[in-house]
Amino acid sequence: AQSVTQLDSQVPVFEEAPVELRCNYSSSVSVYLFWYVQYPNQGLQLLLKYLSGSTLVKGINGFEAEFNKSQTSFHLRKPSVHISDTAEYFCAVSDYQGGSEKLVFGKGTKLTVNP
Amino acid sequence: NAGVTQTPKFQVLKTGQSMTLQCAQDMNHEYMSWYRQDPGMGLRLIHYSVGAGITDQGEVPNGYNVSRSTTEDFPLRLLSAAPSQTSVYFCASSLSTRGLLGTEAFFGQGTRLTVV
Repeated sequence: AQSVTQLDSQVPVFEEAPVELRCNYSSSVSVYLFWYVQYPNQGLQLLLKYLSGSTLVKGINGFEAEFNKSQTSFHLRKPSVHISDTAEYFCAVSDYQGGSEKLVFGKGTKLTVNP
Repeated sequence: NAGVTQTPKFQVLKTGQSMTLQCAQDMNHEYMSWYRQDPGMGLRLIHYSVGAGITDQGEVPNGYNVSRSTTEDFPLRLLSAAPSQTSVYFCASSLSTRGLLGTEAFFGQGTRLTVV
């Protein structure tokens, strides 16, 4: 079964600074990866996803992620964060078993952007 | 455009009580699922359904039942609530998972359940 590990449970950063949220996945022949964001007291929404093709994936709100097969990583980056980026971020991998696909989530990284 | 709607938003139960968490989607999605979110644990899959009449267990199914009589609705039943079921519950739906991998999951706003 697929799994993901988010290496940092909390990341504090100052406004306008760059940020990287780290995610590693268990190796597989083919893999589909996602980043979701959860703003306070809300559900999750998709930031970006990697299915195939270019290893640099651009998402909403200026976020991007790079798929690195040799390091089994899918780190999320933003060059300059805003206060409004304060949220919890979840990395997820698609696990295809028994004829259906399930999303397996990491434990999450809480990003706090300070003024 | 409602998307995925969960009711109620908040609920307090006494140990041993039963209740049903409602989930409805208006996107004609085949795949629906229930997750629970606990601090430091991420989201864990409880049950899922690949279409009307078809359900299966996820990672943490004990103490929960589901059924899928229509494409739109996927209720989650707590049979006899326990304090360990205190959590935030999310319902999600996606277009299809049979032969179409990597589809986006759409989430409801969550139900915050406290069992005392």
